[in-house]
Amino acid sequence: HSVLTQPPSVSGAPGQRVTISCTGGSSNIGAGYDVHWYQQLPGTAPKVLIYGNNNRPSGVPDRFSGSKSGTSASLAITGLQPDDEADYYCQSYDSSLSGWVFGGGTKLTVL
Amino acid sequence: EVQLVESGGGLIQPGGSLRLSCAASGITINNSYMSWVRQAPGKGLEWVSVIYGGGSTYHADSVKGRFTISRDKSKNTLYLQMNSLRAGDTAVYYCATQVGYGSGNYYVRYFDYYMDVWGKGTTVTVSS
Repeated sequence: HSVLTQPPSVSGAPGQRVTISCTGGSSNIGAGYDVHWYQQLPGTAPKVLIYGNNNRPSGVPDRFSGSKSGTSASLAITGLQPDDEADYYCQSYDSSLSGWVFGGGTKLTVL
Repeated sequence: EVQLVESGGGLIQPGGSLRLSCAASGITINNSYMSWVRQAPGKGLEWVSVIYGGGSTYHADSVKGRFTISRDKSKNTLYLQMNSLRAGDTAVYYCATQVGYGSGNYYVRYFDYYMDVWGKGTTVTVSS
């Protein structure tokens, strides 16, 4: 049971847009802590995709975007490509746990 | 370029101990925030431990009292000492740098740092 809740899976056809939600509570996202998103391709280590709610590291395409509102955050991916098939994780800080927490992860399938 | 290389994983019996290492290059770990994150087989990511630039350390409740994070400045290496290992500790263990961001006079506080560079991970299997 993860502190941050994500849908287990999402899917979309090439070229389409998908969103992945991340729902937290008053001790993490709702407390104003930043949300970061990571992409984990099969068999590899996670890679930061979005930091600070809506910032892209250099090299990450602008097809990826993040947003945050209240106790939730979202990752949007436009122009889906087969290479986007991966697991996606949101992450924030939780003041009641005094540590960083991840969502359970969402598996993206490109149909 | 920052690179992190974990080592020290393996098969260990329940109740045993293991020390993981994370050799860093391109970064001075003594001044850096660094974390261990684990991923059980087929499961999601779980933050385990952090060491701040100033040396303070914190651990997740699931490992508190059993795991200890530390670093060796001379070797530029991060460690995770794991004692009283349980089957539930079976996972791939990643080390990662944690960095902040900002511009001008603004810079985020430590709790908003994100995990920037990750190693490839080392596998720990706890089983009899």
